[in-house]
Amino acid sequence: AQKVTQAQTEISVVEKEDVTLDCVYETRDTTYYLFWYKQPPSGELVFLIRRNSFDEQNEISGRYSWNFQKSTSSFNFTITASQVVDSAVYFCAQDAGNMLTFGGGTRLMVKP
Amino acid sequence: NAGVTQTPKFQVLKTGQSMTLQCAQDMNHEYMSWYRQDPGMGLRLIHYSVGAGITDQGEVPNGYNVSRSTTEDFPLRLLSAAPSQTSVYFCASRASGHYYEQYFGPGTRLTVT
Repeated sequence: AQKVTQAQTEISVVEKEDVTLDCVYETRDTTYYLFWYKQPPSGELVFLIRRNSFDEQNEISGRYSWNFQKSTSSFNFTITASQVVDSAVYFCAQDAGNMLTFGGGTRLMVKP
Repeated sequence: NAGVTQTPKFQVLKTGQSMTLQCAQDMNHEYMSWYRQDPGMGLRLIHYSVGAGITDQGEVPNGYNVSRSTTEDFPLRLLSAAPSQTSVYFCASRASGHYYEQYFGPGTRLTVT
């Protein structure tokens, strides 16, 4: 069975601080896919990134970066120089076999 | 493209009532799914479908029925609503293949009294 754990339920930072959101996953599958989604206060779910289990390259997109490490079963998300607009709930998720399993989410509050 | 649409946006039911949450997508996606979101628990998969005529159970299927008669539509039926089904419901779709991200509808907030 798959399991995704986001141990940080809530994080509060001041604007321009860097922040890392942790994600740890469990699976017995050798092929799987990892995702991050953002849920802003308006409630919709926005796709941010995906990774497959064979691609451990880190990725950077503007102020966002992701660190995937199979050795520790982690797929962490870092926001550099956070902004108020980054305030949202962020979900890590794993897909293996037609079922997407979500972590409990991390609520990020960025204060001006 | 409208993407994934859901109706209604809000609904209040009394215990024991039944209703159908509607979901439609116009992206010709084979895979569709229903999730419920409860505080602190992320999203949990209720049912999913890999194509017209094919449905399967997710993590929390009890109390819900689905059918998939067309590629576009994937309605979720609550047979006899219970207060434990108070939640926000999201429908999603994606192209065939686990690599692809899911596109989510705007959600339906359901309250059962």
